[in-house]
Amino acid sequence: NAGVTQTPKFQVLKTGQSMTLQCAQDMNHNSMYWYRQDPGMGLRLIYYSASEGTTDKGEVPNGYNVSRLNKREFSLRLESAAPSQTSVYFCASTPWSLAELTDTQYFGPGTRLTVL
Amino acid sequence: SQQGEEDPQALSIQEGENATMNCSYKTSINNLQWYRQNSGRGLVHLILIRSNEREKHSGRLRVTLDTSKKSSSLLITASRAADTASYFCATDAKGGTASKLTFGTGTRLQVTL
Repeated sequence: NAGVTQTPKFQVLKTGQSMTLQCAQDMNHNSMYWYRQDPGMGLRLIYYSASEGTTDKGEVPNGYNVSRLNKREFSLRLESAAPSQTSVYFCASTPWSLAELTDTQYFGPGTRLTVL
Repeated sequence: SQQGEEDPQALSIQEGENATMNCSYKTSINNLQWYRQNSGRGLVHLILIRSNEREKHSGRLRVTLDTSKKSSSLLITASRAADTASYFCATDAKGGTASKLTFGTGTRLQVTL
């Protein structure tokens, strides 16, 4: 199993450019998440998808959109990048279900994004 | 807003010593988890303690949870240089129909030889 994979690993954008961060998991997990990590801020939740076909806003959704393409894939799109979106982005997944309430999250390696 | 706050922000110890880091949170929880992050890498789950548990062990890790004080501690015994990393607590708030973890700001642990 590859676990959670993210592409690209690094990206530099100019202000106003758009891009999509890709995330895929091969563990048949129900829920997937996008976080950003800024120095000294810990991880903040951008969007999540509790199950295939659903997406919800997290703590910091402004400037982002997401698509849960299928059970495996969850993408994050920046429509018009801003310097404030310079950060490290992590995707995560969990097998969580209401029945089990076991929500250990498995993280991808991250994407380092710089917006000039 | 951050649910968990870790203390201390940074900790430097020598190999073989024990490391203790603390986490405080604000709302009622289903469980509390600890994760490790090596520099430049994704987070790795270490241990989960449920709200009805008070203490849990996993290898050299010992976690305690005090729900009355809304706090948890992570103890790493006999630390090694390989334990050098940032450690984050994460809480899953009660209620809701989906799992959403809220992460603290982390403790940076440096273990020197």
